[in-house]
Amino acid sequence: QQPVQSPQAVILREGEDAVINCSSSKALYSVHWYRQKHGEAPVFLMILLKGGEQKGHEKISASFNEKKQQSSLYLTASQLSYSGTYFCGTEGGQGGKLIFGQGTELSVKP
Amino acid sequence: NAGVTQTPKFQVLKTGQSMTLQCAQDMNHNSMYWYRQDPGMGLRLIYYSASEGTTDKGEVPNGYNVSRLNKREFSLRLESAAPSQTSVYFCASGHQAAYEQYFGPGTRLTVT
Repeated sequence: QQPVQSPQAVILREGEDAVINCSSSKALYSVHWYRQKHGEAPVFLMILLKGGEQKGHEKISASFNEKKQQSSLYLTASQLSYSGTYFCGTEGGQGGKLIFGQGTELSVKP
Repeated sequence: NAGVTQTPKFQVLKTGQSMTLQCAQDMNHNSMYWYRQDPGMGLRLIYYSASEGTTDKGEVPNGYNVSRLNKREFSLRLESAAPSQTSVYFCASGHQAAYEQYFGPGTRLTVT
């Protein structure tokens, strides 16, 4: 079942912070975050693993609450380059099979 | 390194025609994936191959077949194209489960 992302869209001024949430109805082994710019392929940002290990981006952080089956992506002091659509992908321990959310469109204005 | 390559970049088909989308990766990854992306729907997994010689269905496999030709190549075939298969198709690869996936540039397919 597809995870649910919120908000669907957000507009920020440069330097502002944003939080994107991802919620699943199923138990999760890992949560992946990707960013996609218009007309381009998705690019990996971060993986959060069950048990707390986190691998990924140096300027963007995230949390993973296994009990609540939720993850949040934190973008602080946003830059123009952060604009794009953010997808979470959830994996329930099925050999890397990711189910992606519908995406959150982030626009950062000067 | 080219990463993940996909051919063709664009394709227009008529209803009922068949075609094969090609994907290749040069990163020695074990796992490969095919996704489709439609507006407002995110990325939906069509088929994946956890390792050479294995394939498995994803969320939306109907109307598609795949072949993991070798470790590098993973093709997606539409046997009888339908307008509902109009979409952007992405191939991706990764070392294994719980590792990042690298996406190809995509194929924009229109079925009329």
